[in-house]
Amino acid sequence: EIVMTQSPFTLSVSPGERATLSCRASQSVSSNLAWYQQKPGQAPRLLISGASTRTPGIPARFSGSGSGTEFTLTISSLQSEDFAVYYCQQYDSWPRTFGQGTKVEIK
Amino acid sequence: QAPLVQSGAEVKKPGASVTVSCKAPGDTFTNLYLHWVRQAPGQGLEWMGIINPSGGSTSYAQKFQGRVTMTRDTSTSTVYMELSSLRSEDTAVYYCAEGRNSFYYWGQGTLVTVSS
Repeated sequence: EIVMTQSPFTLSVSPGERATLSCRASQSVSSNLAWYQQKPGQAPRLLISGASTRTPGIPARFSGSGSGTEFTLTISSLQSEDFAVYYCQQYDSWPRTFGQGTKVEIK
Repeated sequence: QAPLVQSGAEVKKPGASVTVSCKAPGDTFTNLYLHWVRQAPGQGLEWMGIINPSGGSTSYAQKFQGRVTMTRDTSTSTVYMELSSLRSEDTAVYYCAEGRNSFYYWGQGTLVTVSS
């Protein structure tokens, strides 16, 4: 099973600032990586798949990069609605596995 | 594509079984890949398994092998997830999610509480 490790656990950011979230895979997942946003009481929302392809309707301030074992989600200028928990997920092999999440909170 | 609609909250005693349903759009049902993902209170997301409604084939996470069964009813475009031998650690919100690889559509979640 591929273990996904996210860092940091919590990220404190001021509105308007950039947020950089990391996700590391225990072995290569090529570009088979997705990012999700989850707000309290809601189901996760798919932001990015293929490591860098934004889902239609997702604002351009969200961008993904990386391949192999190291991935990054960048939120260029945090808006109030972006404060949430973010998860990475690999779909290179079975079982599908998620990172433990990064909480982006208001500084 | 319409959202996935799940059954309502359940309260079960330890040792019991629970079945959660997920109704999908009828016109695309057999083309879907439906997964079950759970989230314990305050915790992260955990993939449980997948069912392909077309042929009914399934694949389960090893952690749940022997305790989980995923089935489908093509006449009602519904998939089911049964989890047996429940324990307190199974208290969680259970989601169905659709996608071959990443999960674009999600159900609203079903809270299963295991308590004596």
